[in-house]
Amino acid sequence: EDKVVQSPLSLVVHEGDTVTLNCSYEVTNFRSLLWYKQEKKAPTFLFMLTSSGIEKKSGRLSSILDKKELFSILNITATQTGDSAIYLCAVTTSGTYKYIFGTGTRLKVLA
Amino acid sequence: NAGVTQTPKFQVLKTGQSMTLQCAQDMNHNSMYWYRQDPGMGLRLIYYSASEGTTDKGEVPNGYNVSRLNKREFSLRLESAAPSQTSVYFCASSEFGFSYNEQFFGPGTRLTVL
Repeated sequence: EDKVVQSPLSLVVHEGDTVTLNCSYEVTNFRSLLWYKQEKKAPTFLFMLTSSGIEKKSGRLSSILDKKELFSILNITATQTGDSAIYLCAVTTSGTYKYIFGTGTRLKVLA
Repeated sequence: NAGVTQTPKFQVLKTGQSMTLQCAQDMNHNSMYWYRQDPGMGLRLIYYSASEGTTDKGEVPNGYNVSRLNKREFSLRLESAAPSQTSVYFCASSEFGFSYNEQFFGPGTRLTVL
């Protein structure tokens, strides 16, 4: 059965800290991995990764995929209180139209 | 360009009542999805529609039905609501191409079943 696991489940840091969120997966026919940020409402898209070793970057956020070891990390540097959210990882596979979500990592950044 | 819209935003039902959650997208996407989100459970897929005219069960379909009314609209129906269906429901859409398959989400419906 296809599975996506995120760790840690929750994390509390102080402003200015750097955090690393993990997403590992076991799926058949991997196609892509997506990261989303969810504040109070709907998830919003951050990155999509399809190729191993290529870093995607947007401001203080960056993400990389390792297709050999079957995981991705999301890094946030110089965290701010506005980074407080649930971060969701999802994987798609070839041959289906489904997105398989992990349970998310709840990040809280204290001032 | 509204993206994905959902109605209603909030709903309270009594056990046994029925209701339909509406979803529409204006991005001309082929694929649409219904998820539920419970604390600590992430997003769980209820049903999806890969394209107009098709629907398929997801991870947690029991107690729900769906209709893909046209390319824009995808509704979710609870025939006889149960307290276990208390949750936040999200509709999403995507264009499942080779190099791009970002999923866009609606604002959610918070449903409470008493």
